[in-house]
Amino acid sequence: QKEVEQNSGPLSVPEGAIASLNCTYSDRVSQSFFWYRQYSGKSPELIMSIYSNGDKEDGRFTAQLNKASQYVSLLIRDSQPSDSATYLCAVKGGNQFYFGTGTSLTVIP
Amino acid sequence: NAGVMQNPRHLVRRRGQEARLRCSPMKGHSHVYWYRQLPEEGLKFMVYLQKENIIDESGMPKERFSAEFPKEGPSILRIQQVVRGDSAAYFCASSPTGTGETVGANVLTFGAGSRLTVL
Repeated sequence: QKEVEQNSGPLSVPEGAIASLNCTYSDRVSQSFFWYRQYSGKSPELIMSIYSNGDKEDGRFTAQLNKASQYVSLLIRDSQPSDSATYLCAVKGGNQFYFGTGTSLTVIP
Repeated sequence: NAGVMQNPRHLVRRRGQEARLRCSPMKGHSHVYWYRQLPEEGLKFMVYLQKENIIDESGMPKERFSAEFPKEGPSILRIQQVVRGDSAAYFCASSPTGTGETVGANVLTFGAGSRLTVL
């Protein structure tokens, strides 16, 4: 059983700040990594995928992957109140997707 | 292109009744995953299916729970003799392919979920 660990939070940042979300995983074979956002009472939606070491940027979001350290992070620049949600880290190994328990983010106006 | 369709969105059952949750994957997706989420908790994997095959059911409780994905029609998650502890949100997700580690593939898309309440 692969493990995906996230700080549960809650994480609070002021509007306009950078929010940093972290995730570690236990299986060195994993190749695909994902960040999902889940608003309260809603379903998870994919915001970023990353497959190679390094950074991947998409608008205000940057995913960082370090396979040697088994670490993946998500940076949210210029955080907005609408970014307030739970962020789920997911790792794919074989046929399976393994999810962390999520980090709750609150952006304070 | 419709997304992953789940129904019913909300289901209320009394203890001992049966609950049936349905999921139609995205067009072109042949792999279906079911997850359960309790309030304030993470997603727990239940079962992974392809058409007419259960690939991995390691997350399914041994009793009362079953899943299928027939050749025609939606995937169905069935819970017999429901108990209050079954109250949760049940999410279905689909993927265009479930095998291998192909870069750029294998992204999960979730449905809106079915929220089961057991009285």
